[in-house]
Amino acid sequence: GAGVSQSPSNKVTEKGKDVELRCDPISGHTALYWYRQSLGQGLEFLIYFQGNSAPDKSGLPSDRFSAERTGGSVSTLTIQRTQQEDSAVYLCASSPRGLAGGRSYNEQFFGPGTRLTVL
Amino acid sequence: KNEVEQSPQNLTAQEGEFITINCSYSVGISALHWLQQHPGGGIVSLFMLSSGKKKHGRLIATINIQEKHSSLHITASHPRDSAVYICAVEIQGSNYKLTFGKGTLLTVNP
Repeated sequence: GAGVSQSPSNKVTEKGKDVELRCDPISGHTALYWYRQSLGQGLEFLIYFQGNSAPDKSGLPSDRFSAERTGGSVSTLTIQRTQQEDSAVYLCASSPRGLAGGRSYNEQFFGPGTRLTVL
Repeated sequence: KNEVEQSPQNLTAQEGEFITINCSYSVGISALHWLQQHPGGGIVSLFMLSSGKKKHGRLIATINIQEKHSSLHITASHPRDSAVYICAVEIQGSNYKLTFGKGTLLTVNP
C-alpha cells in the first residue's frame, strides 16, 4: 500500500520568503508528527497531531513556524520569512496509534522528507 | 547531556562480522525505537520495543528497562547493511513523540 508521501522533495528559496511543506500520511493513521533533520543537529521533534488537533507544538523553533492538519489526513507545515538556519530536511511520520495486545502501539512510518535550502 | 546516547558514533566492519550498536537513555520511557537511514534515503522503522527482545531476520534488538539500555545486533553483516542506525525513545507522558540519539554510521566493507 501507499506509504507516507511528502512534497516537494526539494525546495530552494530565498531568505525572507514563505514556504509550505506538505505531508500525506498513511490512510487511517490518526497520529502525525513533523521532525527536522539538520546537519550536525540530528533529528528533532517539531509538532504532533492527533486527528486535526495539535496537543504538542513544543518543538516549533519560533512563531515563524506553524502547521495544520485537515480532515484527519493531510498536514501542511508553513515557515514564514525563512532564514538560512531553517535549511534542513523536514520529515513527516504517521502512526496508527492503535492497540495491540492491550499495549499502545506507536510504530511511526516516515515519509521521504523535504530538503529545504534557504539561500 | 543528551537524553539518548548512542555508541559508537562510527563503526566499520568486514562483511560477515557480528555488529552491536548500543543505546543508553536517562529518562523514563514508554518505548524505544531503532530506525535505519540509508545515505540520501528515508528513515525506516526497524523495531519498537518496551521490554525483552525482538528479532527480524539478521537483526536483533534487546532492551533492559532497569539499566536504561538497548542494543541492536546485526548478525552476518553485509555491505547493504551500511547505513545510519538511530535509537529513539518515547519519553513517558510526552505524547509519544520521539527523542533521538545522534545515530551510528555503520560501514560494512566487502
